[in-house]
Formats: sequence, structure tokens, C-alpha cells
Amino acid sequence: DIVMTQSPDSLAVSLGERATINCKSSQSVLYSSNNKNYLAWYQRKPGQPPKLLIYWASTRESGVPDRFSGSGSGTDFTLTISSLQAEDVAVYSCQQYYNTPLTFGGGTKVEIK
Amino acid sequence: QLQLQESGPGLVKPSETLSLTCTVSGGSISTSSYHWGWVRRPPGKGLEWIGSLHYSGSTYYNPSLKSRVAISVDTSKNQFSLNLSSVIAADTAVYYCARHPPTRNTWQSWFDSWGQGSLVTVSS
Repeated sequence: DIVMTQSPDSLAVSLGERATINCKSSQSVLYSSNNKNYLAWYQRKPGQPPKLLIYWASTRESGVPDRFSGSGSGTDFTLTISSLQAEDVAVYSCQQYYNTPLTFGGGTKVEIK
Repeated sequence: QLQLQESGPGLVKPSETLSLTCTVSGGSISTSSYHWGWVRRPPGKGLEWIGSLHYSGSTYYNPSLKSRVAISVDTSKNQFSLNLSSVIAADTAVYYCARHPPTRNTWQSWFDSWGQGSLVTVSS
């Protein structure tokens, strides 16, 4: 199985400041034949299901604010919230779909400082 | 707008079978390019993929659960279902149904639409 490790477990950021969440896979999720990274990011607020933010490591889902961006390749990935808003308080998780079983990171909780 | 809704018992006794159904509305489960899956979130833990299927009958399961899991589809009702047998306390979780959008060369992809989730507690 590909193990997805997120860091930090939680972080507190001031409103308007940048939040950076890291996700590391135990093996590369870059598919050489199409040069795509098989990685997605989700946001989950209390009492709600996960919401897709990013796929292919950096493609923003329709309707997702552009303050959310994804980067990285191979085994190391980052989700950045460029200017944290109050509504961004949530748990963020990464997911690889390069191999089965599909696996998720443990989640990073983002709070307001 | 696509909507998914889980339904089923909220309490299951140990050693029994957990059964959940996902009803899809606003779109057909028989749309050829999509796969449909189940994901769970145990209390205080991360998300775990259980398995996925295509309306044609192809199924894919997490090896860690494969011996106990069956996912099936009823296209006439626009539903798909999860059965998890011989449950134990560690199977207590919020269970989500979700949709995989198509990719060019594999069924494996992200989940772009999710149900609200159904809390299932395993306890006597």
C-alpha cells in the first residue's frame, strides 16, 4: 500500500495569512507515461462530507476559490491557502489514486490563531 | 445537480452484517464513464477507502477488507450497496458513498461528489 503522511497534524494561522499543508507518499505517484501526479486534496468541515479541492496535484476543482493551490511532484506535495479565511477552518486530507488500495493521509486540522 | 444519500441501520451488533445503500439522484448510476465507491472515517482517524464498482458489475476492494466486503448495484433503483460482514467495534465509523469521475487510462481517480455520511456504530 502507498502510505500518505501529512504534516503538521494541526496548525493555527492568522486570518489573511498563508497556510501550508504537506503530504508525502511512500512511493512516487507520478505516472511517467502522462506526466501526471495521481494526487487529490479534500476539505472536510465538521458534520459535512469531504469536499474535493484539487486533483492531478494542482488542478483546482470548479468553484474552488483560487486562494487554494496545490503543488509538488513524485512523493512530496503541498496544499497552500494563500490568505486564510474564517470559512477555511477544516480538516484537509490528501489522497493518492496511483495504486489500489486508494489511500488517504491522516488529515491536517487548520484553525484560526 | 448530483446528490448521493446513504441509508441503513445506525447500530449493528458485533459479528453481524453492516448493510448500507446509496441512492443517487440528479444523474444516472449507469453513466458509462463513472465508478461509484464507499469510504469510511472511524472516530478520530483518517479516511479509508472500502471499495468501488462500475454499473457493469466490475468491483474493486481494499485488500484489508476484501474477505468481508461486497458492493453491488441496482440500476433499476439508481442505487448501490455495501455489505460488510462479521463486524467488530473497529468497524464503527461514518460511512460515505461517493463518485469517481473518469480518467483516460484507469478507473482509479478522486472522489468528486459525496453523500452526507451515515454513522454506523458496532455495539451489542
